[in-house]
Amino acid sequence: QKEVEQNSGPLSVPEGAIASLNCTYSDRGSQSFFWYRQYSGKSPELIMSIYSNGDKEDGRFTAQLNKASQYVSLLIRDSQPSDSATYLCAVRRGGGGSNYKLTFGKGTLLTVNP
Amino acid sequence: DAGITQSPRYKITETGRQVTLMCHQTWSHSYMFWYRQDLGHGLRLIYYSAAADITDKGEVPDGYVVSRSKTENFPLTLESATRSQTSVYFCASTGGNQPQHFGDGTRLSIL
Repeated sequence: QKEVEQNSGPLSVPEGAIASLNCTYSDRGSQSFFWYRQYSGKSPELIMSIYSNGDKEDGRFTAQLNKASQYVSLLIRDSQPSDSATYLCAVRRGGGGSNYKLTFGKGTLLTVNP
Repeated sequence: DAGITQSPRYKITETGRQVTLMCHQTWSHSYMFWYRQDLGHGLRLIYYSAAADITDKGEVPDGYVVSRSKTENFPLTLESATRSQTSVYFCASTGGNQPQHFGDGTRLSIL
């Protein structure tokens, strides 16, 4: 059973702080990793993808991947109240066919307090 | 506008009835997916399709039927709805080695 684990939260941070969201996965064949943001009552929205070990930065967001430790994280710098949402970690094997399926964690609820 | 659209957005029906949720994408993506999202379970894959006329089961396929006669459409049918199928349903698509993008979802209530 391929699993993706996330702390359910809620994770509460003050405005302007760094929010750190973590995710571990069990399938060593995973090649692609995604972070989705989901506001209450809305659909998941892709915010970051990462495919190789190390850091990937996009604006206030940084994704970090360590395949040896089977760990992926998302850092949100200068957190804003508008960042308050559930963050979903998803992993994929890749390589075609059924390997394009995503396995999702249950999500971490982030609350940014003004 | 290009994108992925789901209909209806909200649906209330009764147990035992058949209901079909529609998903349409304009990207010509090969892969399409149906998920359900429930509190405590997260997003779970129901069915997916790699191309027209190619479909396969996901994690929770029981009670659902899919078809894909055209690349752009991927309807999901509940043949005899049960209360346990009350959920939010999301359709997603991808061209392959790209992230999946989601529709706005259908909130389905079965009384």
